[in-house]
Amino acid sequence: EDQVTQSPEALRLQEGESSSLNCSYTVSGLRGLFWYRQDPGKGPEFLFTLYSAGEEKEKERLKATLTKKESFLHITAPKPEDSATYLCAVQARSVWGAQKLVFGQGTRLTINP
Amino acid sequence: SAVISQKPSRDICQRGTSLTIQCQVDSQVTMMFWYRQQPGQSLTLIATANQGSEATYESGFVIDKFPISRPNLTFSTLTVSNMSPEDSSIYLCTHSLGYTFGSGTRLTVV
Repeated sequence: EDQVTQSPEALRLQEGESSSLNCSYTVSGLRGLFWYRQDPGKGPEFLFTLYSAGEEKEKERLKATLTKKESFLHITAPKPEDSATYLCAVQARSVWGAQKLVFGQGTRLTINP
Repeated sequence: SAVISQKPSRDICQRGTSLTIQCQVDSQVTMMFWYRQQPGQSLTLIATANQGSEATYESGFVIDKFPISRPNLTFSTLTVSNMSPEDSSIYLCTHSLGYTFGSGTRLTVV
């Protein structure tokens, strides 16, 4: 069964304190791993898609990396506006054969000024 | 990427009633997806909606409870029928796998 586990559930950092969020996955043939940011009361905002082990993508203070079993979202020198829930999802195949996303439960990140 | 407008943004409903959620996309898309996000849980796919064909439902979700319409390539609705407090969740739509999501509908059933 396709499964995504994110850790930690919650993380509190001081402004400027770098850290990493983890996303471990099991899926039959990875077609894509997605990272999102979700603010309270809003839908997920797409950040990155990674397709193969060794791939890296960056956006401002965020960098996502991928191995065969997990992905990391590295946050460098975060600011309070980076506070949000970060979601990880893998592209999987539904029972109908169509593509779908399987999500982790998210990491709630708080950056204190 | 296409922009999705979703409404209502929130609602409080009586048990036993139904609520229809609408998603409007600003361009034509082939596939639309409906997800549920229960409190403290991850997003779970309810069903996939293609224009011109019946929606396909994931395990644990049935058409009688969550009927979906897809009348054209820019619009879809999800109805939550005969609601109970367990249906209290955030409901989200997206298209083309998941690059853009609607803003979500926060449903509370009392």
